[in-house]
Amino acid sequence: EVQLLESGGNFVQPGGSLRLSCTASGFTFSNYAMSWVRQAPGEGLEWVSAIAGTSGNTYYADSMKGRVTISRDNSKNTLYLQLNTLRADDTAMYYCARTRWTSGFYFDYWGQGTLVTVSS
Amino acid sequence: QTVVTQEPSFSVSPGGTVTLTCGLSSGSVSTSYFPSWYQQTPGQAPRTLITSTITRSSGVPDRFSGSILGNKAALTITGTQADDESDYYCALYMGSGNWVFGGGTKLTVL
Repeated sequence: EVQLLESGGNFVQPGGSLRLSCTASGFTFSNYAMSWVRQAPGEGLEWVSAIAGTSGNTYYADSMKGRVTISRDNSKNTLYLQLNTLRADDTAMYYCARTRWTSGFYFDYWGQGTLVTVSS
Repeated sequence: QTVVTQEPSFSVSPGGTVTLTCGLSSGSVSTSYFPSWYQQTPGQAPRTLITSTITRSSGVPDRFSGSILGNKAALTITGTQADDESDYYCALYMGSGNWVFGGGTKLTVL
């Protein structure tokens, strides 16, 4: 069974940093691209970033470029998202999602999310 | 900036049929955008319904179907049930490893 478990969400002050993690199980982690998708309270889904399975190629939404870094450690089956210079409008639930881009382009499994709250 | 458009809300009677759409602020949606659809109930993670325009994800009932209607992607629910009341999001693949989600449609079953 595919499982994705996010962690690392927390309350942080504006300008602060945070690293989110997503631990995967139930599949060969390195064989799949992975993404982060966020959702601000009461708002819709927003794709943030994606990373290829083994090449390390990374992709970012224009709105997040320069402030976030996606990475992965295939030996630990773990995906990361480093968030820097956090602003109040970064307050959101952050979901990791297994990403398919060899037979279509979509997200097939989702974690339950980790909540980031940015406030003074 | 690319904007993916969805109806903000829709209502349907139990047993009825509803079609939600996913468009572009500029241009037409085609299969080349690999439209996908996700269902989300309050407090829960999204659930994948439809991928690559028409393919139902594992375990998704066949009353959910995807298509291209005119210049938009569409999600049709037939024989709507009470527990279909959810938010529905489409996502379009923009190329170069980038996706854009629509703003979502809140479906009410009443």
